[in-house]
Amino acid sequence: DTGVSQDPRHKITKRGQNVTFRCDPISEHNRLYWYRQTLGQGPEFLTYFQNEAQLEKSRLLSDRFSAERPKGSFSTLEIQRTEQGDSAMYLCASSLGSHDGETQYFGPGTRLLVL
Amino acid sequence: RKEVEQDPGPFNVPEGATVAFNCTYSNSASQSFFWYRQDCRKEPKLLMSVYSSGNEDGRFTAQLNRASQYISLLIRDSKLSDSATYLCVVSHTGGGNKLTFGTGTQLKVEL
Repeated sequence: DTGVSQDPRHKITKRGQNVTFRCDPISEHNRLYWYRQTLGQGPEFLTYFQNEAQLEKSRLLSDRFSAERPKGSFSTLEIQRTEQGDSAMYLCASSLGSHDGETQYFGPGTRLLVL
Repeated sequence: RKEVEQDPGPFNVPEGATVAFNCTYSNSASQSFFWYRQDCRKEPKLLMSVYSSGNEDGRFTAQLNRASQYISLLIRDSKLSDSATYLCVVSHTGGGNKLTFGTGTQLKVEL
């Protein structure tokens, strides 16, 4: 499968624990995006990378959240001291090229439940 | 007010019906427009981009009215397999192509 992959697909954790998600974009896609989707809502933008540079972060991304893309390939999203409000589907997307309007391809998501 | 507004539905229609979804956006700097489809508990998938001249892909027709900041999607001859949530999506110039999604409109096609 040459699409976007995410790991794990599901994560259940207790409040206060740290969690880390991984995203592997489509090979050679230089843009990588993280979104979060809660029940009944559309996905909301969190952050994006062009190659290894993190170019924008949403106000939704509190200081408990950190994302990296160290070699411009896979990316990780870490949430520290999880809260129940962090429960959501975390979606990763990638696109090729750097001009607006490029199609973003989404991974299957990581579904997080914080107890 | 949300940047992209959609009627959440659900729209329950019989197989073979024609159904239309509407969407409005508030950011006049929006430059690119899309409809994504999302099946239950799955990731969003691009259905079609939307152009000012309007565009068609089989049974699906999308229209954009920049003056009214309004986007539409028409589905003709609905199939059971069209049942899904349809997300109206915009991105704007200089925004790093980050996508802004509406809440989605749920469609249920019934026998």
